[in-house]
Amino acid sequence: EAQVTQNPRYLITVTGKKLTVTCSQNMNHEYMSWYRQDPGLGLRQIYYSMNVEVTDKGDVPEGYKVSRKEKRNFPLILESPSPNQTSLYFCASRGGGDNEQFFGPGTRLTVL
Amino acid sequence: GQNIDQPTEMTATEGAIVQINCTYQTSGFNGLFWYQQHAGEAPTFLSYNVLDGLEEKGRFSSFLSRSKGYSYLLLKELQMKDSASYLCAGEPNRDDKIIFGKGTRLHILP
Repeated sequence: EAQVTQNPRYLITVTGKKLTVTCSQNMNHEYMSWYRQDPGLGLRQIYYSMNVEVTDKGDVPEGYKVSRKEKRNFPLILESPSPNQTSLYFCASRGGGDNEQFFGPGTRLTVL
Repeated sequence: GQNIDQPTEMTATEGAIVQINCTYQTSGFNGLFWYQQHAGEAPTFLSYNVLDGLEEKGRFSSFLSRSKGYSYLLLKELQMKDSASYLCAGEPNRDDKIIFGKGTRLHILP
């Protein structure tokens, strides 16, 4: 089944404790993105990647890192999480010539 | 920066037609997307317009006017399951940088 998977789905952590949210897609897509979704602010893009080793900042990259060492994986790293990073996070992917972006199920992160 | 504006909430009746508008700066986007998002779920793709005009896909149609910086999503024969948020999004270049509007929450009344 074609899908985007994220892990973990839920995470409660404390300020300053490094964490990684994994994202994997099995559709051989070139493009992958991370978004955060907050009430009243909508979906905002954190980082995106057009292919392996090619990443670029979205609208809200501060406090986040990403890497794209393999085509299928695009982990999101929070080196020192803070409470303002409490949010719902979505990973997404699409083919380079495609219009449809496929979203993962979301990761709900709470930073205390 | 480039903004995308859409109404926060709308209400319509089952069986009716509703039009959800989206406006953006005309210096803007290569293409316009529409996504549907049910509460607690991930967004799902509805349409992508890169040329002016109306594209119909079943009960849903999407319209784009690049010169006016205007798009709309038209939903016909509304069903209760259409209660969701509808997200308009623009793509400045074909590089996967995508900017979303804040979404329109659509309530369907029986």
